[in-house]
Amino acid sequence: QKEVEQNSGPLSVPEGAIASLNCTYSDRGSQSFFWYRQYSGKSPELIMSIYSNGDKEDGRFTAQLNKASQYVSLLIRDSQPSDSATYLCAVPGYSSASKIIFGSGTRLSIRP
Amino acid sequence: DAGVIQSPRHEVTEMGQEVTLRCKPISGHNSLFWYRQTMMRGLELLIYFNNNVPIDDSGMPEDRFSAKMPNASFSTLKIQPSEPRDSAVYFCASSKKTTMNTEAFFGQGTRLTVV
Repeated sequence: QKEVEQNSGPLSVPEGAIASLNCTYSDRGSQSFFWYRQYSGKSPELIMSIYSNGDKEDGRFTAQLNKASQYVSLLIRDSQPSDSATYLCAVPGYSSASKIIFGSGTRLSIRP
Repeated sequence: DAGVIQSPRHEVTEMGQEVTLRCKPISGHNSLFWYRQTMMRGLELLIYFNNNVPIDDSGMPEDRFSAKMPNASFSTLKIQPSEPRDSAVYFCASSKKTTMNTEAFFGQGTRLTVV
């Protein structure tokens, strides 16, 4: 089992709709979870972090965390063409190693 | 702060040559990560340092790869000899590790092409 798993997509969503991106992780001890956005040819950029169970909202973005299910998701409301990118889920390990493992990413395409 | 700085941005080299990639982390950050990204394998962690000490190099593909961090503001990733399959984008990232793991910030990457 991969440490961090995402559906690779592509996920196609009409402009204005809600895009839902999902991620599962294997380390039950993980305490922090990050979502990065990567445009083609660019480096990953942090867009959301979440540490507690439940929802965290930031503008059009909402991160949702369920530690019991080892599941973290990202919702993008009112999707815009500029949201078209690859979204990477990142989970640091709980051990002192603290390495940050990334999922393979979900490619999101917002169609006009 | 200028962010994580990597050099060069692009590197084209011939098979068998030595390649050195450089990284300057964000000032004050105490963890540094080297990642490699390809279409097939995604973003792979190669090695990371904490307080200039290599913690886990299990992601380094083979002995041709080596990394150093002689001080808090500089790290190198060396490939010797390089092979075509090493062609990828190499990212350096840094973070400030506290009791709660914090997010990593990425440099612009080095696009390596080995011909």
